[in-house]
Amino acid sequence: NAGVTQTPKFQVLKTGQSMTLQCAQDMNHNSMYWYRQDPGMGLRLIYYSASEGTTDKGEVPNGYNVSRLNKREFSLRLESAAPSQTSVYFCASRGPLGNEQFFGPGTRLTVL
Amino acid sequence: QKEVEQNSGPLSVPEGAIASLNCTYSDRGSQSFFWYRQYSGKSPELIMSIYSNGDKEDGRFTAQLNKASQYVSLLIRDSQPSDSATYLCAVNPYKVGGSNYKLTFGKGTLLTVNP
Repeated sequence: NAGVTQTPKFQVLKTGQSMTLQCAQDMNHNSMYWYRQDPGMGLRLIYYSASEGTTDKGEVPNGYNVSRLNKREFSLRLESAAPSQTSVYFCASRGPLGNEQFFGPGTRLTVL
Repeated sequence: QKEVEQNSGPLSVPEGAIASLNCTYSDRGSQSFFWYRQYSGKSPELIMSIYSNGDKEDGRFTAQLNKASQYVSLLIRDSQPSDSATYLCAVNPYKVGGSNYKLTFGKGTLLTVNP
């Protein structure tokens, strides 16, 4: 049981480039989340998917898009990366019995 | 804006002491409360959840909830250097299995346990 996995672990982009961050969970969870974490700002929700086929904006959705590909996979896309999107990105999934969320290992993204 | 407030620290305690981490929240209707531990460069790891007023103990960790005061705390007994990390408080406004799927996180308290 790998839990929540994320790829890549590290990425460097130039301003204007695009990329997709991948997330997958093998715990059969319905809900999945994308967060970014910046020094002094804490964890901020970008987008979430309450269940397969649905996605909703979080606190800081601008500049991002998401796709809930199936129950296991939830991807985050940056269409035109900006230096302000330099951050650590975490994917999480929510357990079926409670409101606990379980996090992946994160992607450290630098936009030059 | 629903908020979760934590003292950013750093909180420094000697090895073997009790570390006390505090969190207040603004949404009086909140029902689910969580503590996460995050080591530097790693992802948050769930260590405690609490839903009812009072204390919940798990090993060296005790979570305390006081809904009237909108206050939740985490006590770490017999603190070890390996407990040095940032501790995040998270709150959900609904009971277990409720329809609100989002957690609101505090910014975290950095704990340092000195040998």
